[in-house]
Amino acid sequence: EVQLMESGGGLVKPGGSLRLSCATSGFTFSNAWMSWVRQAPGKGLEWVGRIKSKTDGGTTDYAAPLKGRFTISRDDSKNTLYLQMNNLKTDDTAVYYCATVLRFLEWLPDWGQGTLVTVSS
Amino acid sequence: EFVLTQSPATLSLSPGERATLSCWASQSVSSNLAWYQQKPGQAPRLLIYDASNRATGIPARFSGSGSGTDFTLIISSLEPEDFAVYYCQQRGNWPRGITFGQGTRLEIK
Repeated sequence: EVQLMESGGGLVKPGGSLRLSCATSGFTFSNAWMSWVRQAPGKGLEWVGRIKSKTDGGTTDYAAPLKGRFTISRDDSKNTLYLQMNNLKTDDTAVYYCATVLRFLEWLPDWGQGTLVTVSS
Repeated sequence: EFVLTQSPATLSLSPGERATLSCWASQSVSSNLAWYQQKPGQAPRLLIYDASNRATGIPARFSGSGSGTDFTLIISSLEPEDFAVYYCQQRGNWPRGITFGQGTRLEIK
């Protein structure tokens, strides 16, 4: 069974940084493409970015408004995905989900339960 | 700017009724569209991919259709557990990235 568990959320001041983790099990993480998606309170889904498997180049892509502040990385030895968020703004307040990505097809079949990030002074 | 527009914003129906949800793309996405269901406090769940293929374990009452810019999700006979928010998603061409529609809330009448 595929399991994704996000952690690392919490309260952070504007301008601060936070690193989220997504621990995975139940599938071959090193072969997987992974994404982060966020959802502001009471709002819809917003794609954050995606990282390919190392065998497919390990490259990352980001939503244009977030590029430069957010960085996705992976540690295949730990089956863990990361999201480094810098210079956080109040608009970044959201539940952050990690999700698997169907390779080359970009559909998101498996999701974690999310971790809440609150950016407030 | 590429946009997915969902209609209606809210749909009020009773169990047993048929639900029709729409998603319009601002430019053609061929059949590269998916639908997700999200219940309160839960993560989204993939229902339909490639416009018309049901994901694993999704009941047959859910069906998707469309191509190009106009897409439809139909729930043939609503069950109590179907009342939720539904999102469409395109995978598009890079570097545009993934886009979600703003969602349709399906509520019990």
